[in-house]
Amino acid sequence: GDSVTQMEGPVTLSEEAFLTINCTYTATGYPSLFWYVQYPGEGLQLLLKATKADDKGSNKGFEATYRKETTSFHLEKGSVQVSDSAVYFCALTPRQGGSEKLVFGKGTKLTVNP
Amino acid sequence: SQTIHQWPATLVQPVGSPLSLECTVEGTSNPNLYWYRQAAGRGLQLLFYSVGIGQISSEVPQNLSASRPQDRQFILSSKKLLLSDSGFYLCAWKKRSENQPQHFGDGTRLSIL
Repeated sequence: GDSVTQMEGPVTLSEEAFLTINCTYTATGYPSLFWYVQYPGEGLQLLLKATKADDKGSNKGFEATYRKETTSFHLEKGSVQVSDSAVYFCALTPRQGGSEKLVFGKGTKLTVNP
Repeated sequence: SQTIHQWPATLVQPVGSPLSLECTVEGTSNPNLYWYRQAAGRGLQLLFYSVGIGQISSEVPQNLSASRPQDRQFILSSKKLLLSDSGFYLCAWKKRSENQPQHFGDGTRLSIL
């Protein structure tokens, strides 16, 4: 079945460091890919998305590129801030009709220290 | 713009008591609706989803149930809570078209004593 694998973490960085969180997927066809962020005690917020191969999603300085050849959607940010501390989830929606359920990775906790 | 509301934000219930969590969506029609549970330190588990009024699909067997009495209302219920029902419950909606993301509510933290 469809699945998402992301680096488990936790990841601890200093402010202004470069961030990469790896995400790879297994799916039939061409799924849509998403990154969600969850701040402590809150629900999930959509961070960025990509719906076809070579698309680049970007938001708030974060980027991720849909790589069909490596089935990956790695999240990157050039310079993290303390306010980026959160749990990040990679997810996909299979390209099928009906419920369009999200398949989530297990999440990666990021802590950014000043 | 569309908004999603969940309540209550926090709930403490004794074992064996009933449960009703409510989720409503505003600013859209015919959404897909979803209930997830997030246990402490774990990822998200899809519990139920609905593609229309009265249409509920269950993803995992458990003592919870869901109902959709109106187009933009989704209710999670239990007749008798178990200790294992503790967790963070999230409701989500999405437009019923391809490539659209799901949008989440702020969640309900449920503690069972």
